[in-house]
Amino acid sequence: GAVVSQHPSWVICKSGTSVKIECRSLDFQATTMFWYRQFPKQSLMLMATSNEGSKATYEQGVEKDKFLINHASLTLSTLTVTSAHPEDSSFYICSARDAYSGNTIYFGEGSWLTVV
Amino acid sequence: KQEVTQIPAALSVPEGENLVLNCSFTDSAIYNLQWFRQDPGKGLTSLLLIQSSQREQTSGRLNASLDKSSGRSTLYIAASQPGDSATYLCVCTDKLIFGTGTRLQVFP
Repeated sequence: GAVVSQHPSWVICKSGTSVKIECRSLDFQATTMFWYRQFPKQSLMLMATSNEGSKATYEQGVEKDKFLINHASLTLSTLTVTSAHPEDSSFYICSARDAYSGNTIYFGEGSWLTVV
Repeated sequence: KQEVTQIPAALSVPEGENLVLNCSFTDSAIYNLQWFRQDPGKGLTSLLLIQSSQREQTSGRLNASLDKSSGRSTLYIAASQPGDSATYLCVCTDKLIFGTGTRLQVFP
């Protein structure tokens, strides 16, 4: 089946630095990708929707200048957490919509971010 | 506004039981409904996708049905196994509305 690869799986960074997470669709073209965050024992929260070649659409309450999303190709989207703080520590997951298979959505394995 | 609710919120059963997980949505004008499982600390794995024109989908021991008129989808898990322990989520994929999830634990 279709695979979405997320990298890195784990990342620890110092407070104030930026960290980039990549999301790749390995065997399909994803015109739309989504970024979520999940705190322990809580539901997934959609952060933003990105369409290839255009600016991402952010959900209410998500700072677009802090969470930079780039979707420059049909197989790659990146999320950059800028000037990270400990409260940004979370589990970040991406997903990609395969428009050619009934809009099936596939999820990456997620990335654990710890800001110290 | 679409709302998706899953019942029960948590379920603990002995191995071998047949299970029913329920998902209800308030707006019947959905496009697709997809079931996922999420293992602790990991991403989501797609289980079954039901398109709006379909009534059910089957994969192995899993069967998902969709009744748009009543705003319900049901995931059946036959002969449950400890490896089925996870959180199960239903999602209206066109609007990315997630259900509240059902935490399933199957014990030997």
